Amino acid sequence: AQKVTQAQTEISVVEKEDVTLDCVYETRDTTYYLFWYKQPPSGELVFLIRRNSFDEQNEISGRYSWNFQKSTSSFNFTITASQVVDSAVYFCALSTSNTGNQFYFGTGTSLTVIP
Amino acid sequence: GAGVSQSPSNKVTEKGKDVELRCDPISGHTALYWYRQSLGQGLEFLIYFQGNSAPDKSGLPSDRFSAERTGGSVSTLTIQRTQQEDSAVYLCASSLMGSGASTDTQYFGPGTRLTVL
Repeated sequence: AQKVTQAQTEISVVEKEDVTLDCVYETRDTTYYLFWYKQPPSGELVFLIRRNSFDEQNEISGRYSWNFQKSTSSFNFTITASQVVDSAVYFCALSTSNTGNQFYFGTGTSLTVIP
Repeated sequence: GAGVSQSPSNKVTEKGKDVELRCDPISGHTALYWYRQSLGQGLEFLIYFQGNSAPDKSGLPSDRFSAERTGGSVSTLTIQRTQQEDSAVYLCASSLMGSGASTDTQYFGPGTRLTVL
């Protein structure tokens, strides 16, 4: 079975602090894909990143970085120097080669950046 | 280009009424997905369309829920005899291929907030 766990329900940080959002996944498939989406107050999910299971190289995009570790089945997301506009709910999702039609979403982490 | 659009953005209905929610996918995307997001919850998969293939309805919670996709583009999610527990945000997503062999990225619409009184 596939499962995504985002243990942090809500996080509050002060602007300019760094924050890491945790994501732990479960799957027995050897080929799988991990995603992060941002859902701002407007409601629309915005795609942030996709990573496949064969590529453990960490990625940095501006203030965003992602740490993929197969050994711990984690795909954590760090925002550096957070800004108020980063306030949103962030979802981690998993799909696999055997369940390509379905995305399995975590329950999301609500991030509030306080000015 | 234009993203996924959904209408209406908000729908308030009375218990027992039928509702139709509409989704326009990104032009050229062959796969279309419906999800439900209840308050404070993650996304619950409902149904998936890929080209002209039979849809994957494995996520539909009851036979009151159905969906169509006409002409391989626009999709309508219909909920019959709505119940209060149907209140949620209904999200539509589309992807380029939707191939099980190489999962591509889903792009989401803004959602329809359904309130059943």
